[in-house]
Amino acid sequence: AQSVTQLGSHVSVSEGALVLLRCNYSSSVPPYLFWYVQYPNQGLQLLLKYTSAATLVKGINGFEAEFKKSETSFHLTKPSAHMSDAAEYFCAVSEGNTPLVFGKGTRLSVIA
Amino acid sequence: GAGVSQSPSNKVTEKGKDVELRCDPISGHTALYWYRQSLGQGLEFLIYFQGNSAPDKSGLPSDRFSAERTGGSVSTLTIQRTQQEDSAVYLCASSRDRVNEQYFGPGTRLTVT
Repeated sequence: AQSVTQLGSHVSVSEGALVLLRCNYSSSVPPYLFWYVQYPNQGLQLLLKYTSAATLVKGINGFEAEFKKSETSFHLTKPSAHMSDAAEYFCAVSEGNTPLVFGKGTRLSVIA
Repeated sequence: GAGVSQSPSNKVTEKGKDVELRCDPISGHTALYWYRQSLGQGLEFLIYFQGNSAPDKSGLPSDRFSAERTGGSVSTLTIQRTQQEDSAVYLCASSRDRVNEQYFGPGTRLTVT
């Protein structure tokens, strides 16, 4: 069965600094991987997805993630944090014919 | 077009009462999911509908929870004899099919007093 581990329940960065949110997955088959963002009192919004095409995936709002099979990782990055990036971020994995399995989330705070 | 909508946005109920939560998926999406989001617990899968197939109920926490999807569109999640531990945000999502990304509604915040 697939699973997701997000390292760090809370990450704090300064405005303009690099954002790095970590996600490691476990899957018995080549996975589909997703990053979602949740702003306060809202539903989840898709940031980006990996579905076995290019290993470096670009998403909305300047975010990108790289699929590394050898490390079973799919870390989310953004070169320069903005105040509006403060939110909860969820990594999720699917084996293609199963519902998404989500990590517990990482809350990102951006300090002015 | 319109996104996924859920109603009510907030629901406060007394312990022991039944509640119904509604989800309107994006038109044309054949897959519909229900999740529960508790503080600090991430998203917990509850149930999944795909077209006319039998639903995947493997995530329902107890027999007090049930869901139906009428006409392949609107879905209702019912919680009978609510308990305080049922307090959470219930999220609905839909997708074109099971391998595509899911689009989430804003959720229903359920508080059981």
